[in-house]
Amino acid sequence: QVQLVQSGAEVKKPGASVRISCKASGYTFTRYYLHWVRQAPGQGPEWMGMIDPNGGSTSYAQRLEGRVTLTRDTSTSIVYMDLRSLRSEDTALYYCARGGFDALDIWGQGTMVTVSS
Amino acid sequence: QSALTQPASVSGSPGQSITISCTGTSSDIGTYNFVSWYQQHPGKAPKLMIYEASKRPSGVSNRFSGSKSGNTASLTISRLQAEDEADYYCYSYTGSTRWVFGGGTELTVL
Repeated sequence: QVQLVQSGAEVKKPGASVRISCKASGYTFTRYYLHWVRQAPGQGPEWMGMIDPNGGSTSYAQRLEGRVTLTRDTSTSIVYMDLRSLRSEDTALYYCARGGFDALDIWGQGTMVTVSS
Repeated sequence: QSALTQPASVSGSPGQSITISCTGTSSDIGTYNFVSWYQQHPGKAPKLMIYEASKRPSGVSNRFSGSKSGNTASLTISRLQAEDEADYYCYSYTGSTRWVFGGGTELTVL
């Protein structure tokens, strides 16, 4: 079946970096964009960025540009999300989600990132 | 890009209908039909309920419907059921390969 499986929870100190992986299966990896969405505790989702696995082009939310990088490995159907210079406000549940321009139809299970000194 | 505007909460009794609005601008909802709606229960990932403003994915109840007029999209849930109690979010393409979510609406089934 179509699924996205993410790596496990992370605890980081302020100023550190985090890498989360998202492995796709059950469909042709290069046919759909992979988006990243985060949700801080008690808050709504925030779109972070997108990667087109077919070519690797990316787009990022303006407020995160410079701190976030999306990459992909087509040989393993994995997308990576790197977030640098972590601060407490980055504490959130991070999701990868499959989608085109129209919607996000398949979501990963989420990865909790806690930033705390 | 500012978040799309949704009412913080709506409520309705079982069997009634409710509508949740999502207001954007002429740069997002007003230009593109790429508006979708998501249902999120506590502790769960969001679930796609409506895409391209008014289309329903396979497996989603026909009690859920969507529409769009100008800069505002709407989600209507008819014949409310207890299981519909959740948070609902709209999401729109904004151009330049960027997207934005609404602030979310908490639906209470009385």
